[in-house]
Amino acid sequence: DTAVSQTPKYLVTQMGNDKSIKCEQNLGHDTMYWYKQDSKKFLKIMFSYNNKELIINETVPNRFSPKSPDKAHLNLHINSLELGDSAVYFCASSQLAQGFHNEQFFGPGTRLTVL
Amino acid sequence: DAKTTQPTSMDCAEGRAANLPCNHSTISGNEYVYWYRQIHSQGPQYIIHGLKNNETNEMASLIITEDRKSSTLILPHATLRDTAVYYCIVREYGNKLVFGAGTILRVKS
Repeated sequence: DTAVSQTPKYLVTQMGNDKSIKCEQNLGHDTMYWYKQDSKKFLKIMFSYNNKELIINETVPNRFSPKSPDKAHLNLHINSLELGDSAVYFCASSQLAQGFHNEQFFGPGTRLTVL
Repeated sequence: DAKTTQPTSMDCAEGRAANLPCNHSTISGNEYVYWYRQIHSQGPQYIIHGLKNNETNEMASLIITEDRKSSTLILPHATLRDTAVYYCIVREYGNKLVFGAGTILRVKS
């Protein structure tokens, strides 16, 4: 069974469109994340949710809106897509135990291409 | 910004130990050193973490200098499947991982 899954794996769309990427984890974790990896391969955190509450919100355009319907899901909706949004988006999850020695498990990534 | 410095790339012969260095001279007393790796086209994978003592698990060993300003990740018997980008990360506030450029490790037969 896949621990952290994302759909779709590939997404090709036109500028200006709205799209969503879905993430699900079956590890029973209470915290989920979205990361963006751009063409230069730098991996940067975008958002983090703990028990459906936003706990990390980096400087991300408000066209990006994460939604967590329950602890096992964290979806990413992107409005008015721009060329610069082209990247690989990774979802991750962890258990936010006491302290922070919690391994993050990453999904396989969604490659978004905006034309 | 990442608080670590790593070589851009390294080569290692298959079956030999791969020693990946990391400098973190500004690490504070309660910050841990984490290592993740990213195999091509996959999500990052946790390897190991440590504070000041050497650590070992089924994947690797982590050697941290006494002054904690640098560390070395050791893959004892590298295989072709260990070819990946290896990230050394100093854990910042809360739950945030800050990834740098990492080291591209190429294991060659």
